Amino acid sequence: QSALTQPPSASGSPGQSVTISCTGTNTDVGAYNYVSWYQHHPGKAPKLIVYEVSKRPSGVPDRFSGSKSGNTASLTVSGLQAEDEADYYCSSYVVRNNWIFGGGTKLTVL
Amino acid sequence: EVQLVQSGAEVKKPGESLRISCEASGYSFTTYWITWVRQMPGKGLEWMGSIDPSDSYTNYSPSFQGHVTISADRSMSSAHLQWSSLKASDTAVYYCARHGSRSFQHWGQGTLVTVSS
Repeated sequence: QSALTQPPSASGSPGQSVTISCTGTNTDVGAYNYVSWYQHHPGKAPKLIVYEVSKRPSGVPDRFSGSKSGNTASLTVSGLQAEDEADYYCSSYVVRNNWIFGGGTKLTVL
Repeated sequence: EVQLVQSGAEVKKPGESLRISCEASGYSFTTYWITWVRQMPGKGLEWMGSIDPSDSYTNYSPSFQGHVTISADRSMSSAHLQWSSLKASDTAVYYCARHGSRSFQHWGQGTLVTVSS
């Protein structure tokens, strides 16, 4: 199974909003509301920031929001801050306890 | 507090075997699945496989099936990832992650495995 498709890069200025897409198929993203997003600063452990398409774990700022339409999920980061600069990965449940990640998007805060 | 603490960095030669560990604490180990994720140098995250510690039922990505073995030790609250014969292409950082709400809710700090002759 191929990785979910994410843009390799995204950027925005402080205070702006940026949206990262994650495109799959009707057997993964489109089939289940189990899309999650992870923030990964190099050298650190990835951090869960959105689960079940649009839910945020405790402690994650509401500047991070998720959505889904058909086979494409999206992560929006509003009010960009310098510390948001990181790699972002989407992931989806597939079937029978299988999972898939997106290729990752490097977010640059200009 | 949920914690996943992974074993330290390893440097191995091609053909050698290796087992790395992920020790869980702060929750009931058998309640949540554990997943292993690979990140090769300069590349993205890849799902390798997952294990249910309650019965050691394991799922592997087709890309990793037959190349690695995932196991769990309930007595030690630890999950393991092992290779019987390493290749240079196994050089990567490996993360363990605990499931929750159909996501990877908590992550270990990563284990760097370097395979070089």
